[in-house]
Amino acid sequence: GQNIDQPTEMTATEGAIVQINCTYQTSGFNGLFWYQQHAGEAPTFLSYNVLDGLEEKGRFSSFLSRSKGYSYLLLKELQMKDSASYLCAVRKNTDKLIFGTGTRLQVFP
Amino acid sequence: DAEITQSPRHKITETGRQVTLACHQTWNHNNMFWYRQDLGHGLRLIHYSYGVQDTNKGEVSDGYSVSRSNTEDLPLTLESAASSQTSVYFCASSGGGEETQYFGPGTRLLVL
Repeated sequence: GQNIDQPTEMTATEGAIVQINCTYQTSGFNGLFWYQQHAGEAPTFLSYNVLDGLEEKGRFSSFLSRSKGYSYLLLKELQMKDSASYLCAVRKNTDKLIFGTGTRLQVFP
Repeated sequence: DAEITQSPRHKITETGRQVTLACHQTWNHNNMFWYRQDLGHGLRLIHYSYGVQDTNKGEVSDGYSVSRSNTEDLPLTLESAASSQTSVYFCASSGGGEETQYFGPGTRLLVL
């Protein structure tokens, strides 16, 4: 079967750092995506990892360990506009994406 | 600029009616996807297509159909709408490889 787990909700303070974890068990793995989704809007691409290690993009970084079936998204210097849902998605060999249920992040001043 | 659009953005219909949701992309992508998003379930794949005349069932395809007559469009049809199909529907497209999927703005469908 296939299973992707991420926490349902997280809270953090403006200016802080937050790490959102994602664990997965799937047949066929061809990379892992992170998307951001503001309420009432479409998901937008944040990062893509296909090899083990850390990918850094400004305030956002994403890490992948294929042997552990584990990824995390790290958000630094949190801003109020970072309040959103963060979706972890595994790309299968056929270019299909399997999504987790998303982590709703609330940033407080 | 290339984009992906969906119409209508909001739709209210009655149980048993046929409904078609439109998806149009100008990225010239071969791969197109339809998802539904419900609380507690995340995004679930309904149907997808890897090119003209190609369609495939996703994990929640019952009660839905798609057709792909050209590269730009992948309309989603609900043959006989049911209240369980009340949801937010997202269309997406990608060029394949390591490229991300680009999502349309979504259609909110209410079946009464």
